[in-house]
Amino acid sequence: TQLLEQSPQFLSIQEGENLTVYCNSSSVFSSLQWYRQEPGEGPVLLVTVVTGGEVKKLKRLTFQFGDARKDSSLHITAAQPGDTGLYLCAGAPSGTYKYIFGTGTRLKVLA
Amino acid sequence: GAGVSQSPSNKVTEKGKDVELRCDPISGHTALYWYRQSLGQGLEFLIYFQGNSAPDKSGLPSDRFSAERTGGSVSTLTIQRTQQEDSAVYLCASSRAAGSGNTIYFGEGSWLTVV
Repeated sequence: TQLLEQSPQFLSIQEGENLTVYCNSSSVFSSLQWYRQEPGEGPVLLVTVVTGGEVKKLKRLTFQFGDARKDSSLHITAAQPGDTGLYLCAGAPSGTYKYIFGTGTRLKVLA
Repeated sequence: GAGVSQSPSNKVTEKGKDVELRCDPISGHTALYWYRQSLGQGLEFLIYFQGNSAPDKSGLPSDRFSAERTGGSVSTLTIQRTQQEDSAVYLCASSRAAGSGNTIYFGEGSWLTVV
């Protein structure tokens, strides 16, 4: 059973376009993390969101945690080819230590 | 060590053979996780260890998979009678403690190919 569903699964866009990736669950999470993974490497942590409704910005990336702490989104403004990669949300449902990953969104930004 | 170390980095094995994958976590980290990632897919949770507590094995896909962690440090993931569908990258990660409030550090993975 996949507790963290991401959408879209694949995304191919032109450089300069904006995009949003969604991470949804029926479970409550005390916090969620977003990672980016390059081919042949392990995931690299981008951000942690902790408070319901929280918004965090990392240069052109904006992360939001849903008010009910069941969902999160990642918005990229003016995407660049260097943003290409697999984006993963992850967390442990409240009351558990089982740290799980979302289904992933594979982003390709074309120059 | 400075980071999470996994070995072997690449393994090609014949169908039906057993394989062992090793993970050496960051010193002092009590939580250790194993994940499996098929080509282009997300990470599938396999098992985690937290200190001396009983491991959470709920993600192991079949009884051919097992893992142990000796002395609270090094972990070994064993796959018996490998099948072609076992081909994947097996990622190990560790953190100071279990739970999403703790930063998780990944190894570079063990690429397993079953032929």
